[in-house]
Amino acid sequence: EAQVTQNPRYLITVTGKKLTVTCSQNMNHEYMSWYRQDPGLGLRQIYYSMNVEVTDKGDVPEGYKVSRKEKRNFPLILESPSPNQTSLYFCASSPRGAGKFYNEQFFGPGTRLTVL
Amino acid sequence: KQEVTQIPAALSVPEGENLVLNCSFTDSAIYNLQWFRQDPGKGLTSLLLIQSSQREQTSGRLNASLDKSSGRSTLYIAASQPGDSATYLCAVRLNTGNQFYFGTGTSLTVIP
Repeated sequence: EAQVTQNPRYLITVTGKKLTVTCSQNMNHEYMSWYRQDPGLGLRQIYYSMNVEVTDKGDVPEGYKVSRKEKRNFPLILESPSPNQTSLYFCASSPRGAGKFYNEQFFGPGTRLTVL
Repeated sequence: KQEVTQIPAALSVPEGENLVLNCSFTDSAIYNLQWFRQDPGKGLTSLLLIQSSQREQTSGRLNASLDKSSGRSTLYIAASQPGDSATYLCAVRLNTGNQFYFGTGTSLTVIP
């Protein structure tokens, strides 16, 4: 089944304790992205990657890191989490190239992070 | 920076009614626009994708239109059903760059 998976789905941690949220897709998509969703603010893009070893900042990159060493994986790293990073996080992927599904984004189920 | 607005924030309709959800964007130089559905506590499900060269897309009871010059898209839902209750989000990608910009969504409730 074609899908985007995220782990963990729920995470409660404390300020300053480094954490990684994994994202994996099995659709051979070039484009991958991370978003955070907060009430009243909608989804905001954190980082995105056009392909392996190519990453770029979105609208709200502060406090986050990403890496793209393999095409299928795009982990989100919080080196020193703070309470203002408490949010619902989504990973998404998208194919590049012509065709019906050009640039259509497919989303993972979300990771709810609480930083105490 | 692209600003995307969805009005109303919430909408409640009786079952069977036809309805229109609105999405407005400030920068008309878009590459494409995508409509999503989000159920409570769940991820986003893609509904329709409209490329900048297209005027509309249809899937079943859903029809999305795009008017770039006025910076607007509408999602038309025909014969609404209780199962349509969800939050509907629109997202745009600009011609320049590779970022996506989302609206804050319209929460739809269809009353049986």
